[in-house]
Amino acid sequence: DGGITQSPKYLFRKEGQNVTLSCEQNLNHDAMYWYRQDPGQGLRLIYYSQIVNDFQKGDIAEGYSVSREKKESFPLTVTSAQKNPTAFYLCATFGAGGPGDEQFFGPGTRLTVL
Amino acid sequence: GQNIDQPTEMTATEGAIVQINCTYQTSGFNGLFWYQQHAGEAPTFLSYNVLDGLEEKGRFSSFLSRSKGYSYLLLKELQMKDSASYLCAAMTTDSWGKFQFGAGTQVVVTP
Repeated sequence: DGGITQSPKYLFRKEGQNVTLSCEQNLNHDAMYWYRQDPGQGLRLIYYSQIVNDFQKGDIAEGYSVSREKKESFPLTVTSAQKNPTAFYLCATFGAGGPGDEQFFGPGTRLTVL
Repeated sequence: GQNIDQPTEMTATEGAIVQINCTYQTSGFNGLFWYQQHAGEAPTFLSYNVLDGLEEKGRFSSFLSRSKGYSYLLLKELQMKDSASYLCAAMTTDSWGKFQFGAGTQVVVTP
């Protein structure tokens, strides 16, 4: 069935290590997004991609990197330069943009940096 | 700048009605979305408004006034399972498919 897969659900890393979060979709959507959510806060956009081999910085891109080599995949790397990486990370997709089109969200990855 | 404002928390009793307001200022506007998010889970889509007026979907309704930069989500016949955070999001037009989210309104339903 169609959807967005994020793995793993929980991830623990030591400070100073880079970590890559996966996001895969089979909805055939062009646009994909990464958001970060901290306790009691809304979603903040990290990066988004409207088409393969292209991506744009969001509001809080520093310390993160992405790639979009395939339509189905949009992995996010949290680098050691990110000062406070512990958060809930959500991947989302968006379709053609017609009336009523919505963003679909993956189940999220909760990253804890020790 | 871009700004989405909604109240932080609202409390209501089971069976009651609650209205969550959202005001927005964005660079271009292409629709207003409401999402429900339970703790530790991903947001799920509730409603979409792009034209002025009221959209009704069962117990949930959403209203939009483009001229006022204002929307509300109305939850009727509240149930305990409606306790969640409700996120307001505007689709901007400065870049196709870009969304600006509010901080969310935590709704607490009491018996």
